[in-house]
Amino acid sequence: EAQVTQNPRYLITVTGKKLTVTCSQNMNHEYMSWYRQDPGLGLRQIYYSMNVEVTDKGDVPEGYKVSRKEKRNFPLILESPSPNQTSLYFCASAVDGRGSYNEQFFGPGTRLTVL
Amino acid sequence: QKEVEQDPGPLSVPEGAIVSLNCTYSNSAFQYFMWYRQYSRKGPELLMYTYSSGNKEDGRFTAQVDKSSKYISLFIRDSQPSDSATYLCAMSTTSGYSTLTFGKGTMLLVSP
Repeated sequence: EAQVTQNPRYLITVTGKKLTVTCSQNMNHEYMSWYRQDPGLGLRQIYYSMNVEVTDKGDVPEGYKVSRKEKRNFPLILESPSPNQTSLYFCASAVDGRGSYNEQFFGPGTRLTVL
Repeated sequence: QKEVEQDPGPLSVPEGAIVSLNCTYSNSAFQYFMWYRQYSRKGPELLMYTYSSGNKEDGRFTAQVDKSSKYISLFIRDSQPSDSATYLCAMSTTSGYSTLTFGKGTMLLVSP
C-alpha cells in the first residue's frame, strides 16, 4: 500500500529534551515536506526537500532541523523543544516523475506536546 | 489581507443536502487549485485538483474556479455523514515546485 508513515503518533516531552520524529514514504517520491498545523493558523510548512541531500526552509523553520540522507526518509529533529512547538505535525511527499508537486500525500500526523 | 481566506465553520447540514464550500484569494498568480479533505485525527488527502478557471466534476464532488473573482468553490451533492470532515483549499502558482498556500479549513458536519 502506498503510504507515508510517521512515528511516533503521539509524544509528550519536556522542554529541552531532544527528539526526532521519523517520516518514511514508499512511493519513490522526490519531494518531502514537514508541516505543522495549529488551531486558527492552519497548515504551515517547516522544511522541505526536493531530493536526497537537498533541503530548504519553509515558512516556520526556527527550532527545527531536517536531513534527507535517503530518498524514502525525512526525519524532523527538535534539538531543544519548547512549549511553543506543541502542535500537530504532518509529513508529506510528492512527485514520482509523473505527478505534480501539488498532489501531496500526507502522513497520519504526530501530536507533540512539550511541557 | 490574508492570501487565502476560508470560513472555519462549522457548517452543519442534514444528510442529502447540497454543500457549498468556498475560498477567496488575493494572489492573481495562483493557477492551480486543490481541495484536500481531512478527517479527524488523520492527515489531509487530495480530493480535487484543478487548473485555471472552470469546473471539474468527480462523482458527487464539483470544484469550481472563478479567477476573475478570485473565488473557488467545492460543491458536494447528496452529502453523506461520511463527508463530515475539514475541507482545506490550497493553491499554487505552478505544477512544478512552489509553496502550497492553504486555507485554514472549513469543518463540515453532515447529520443523518
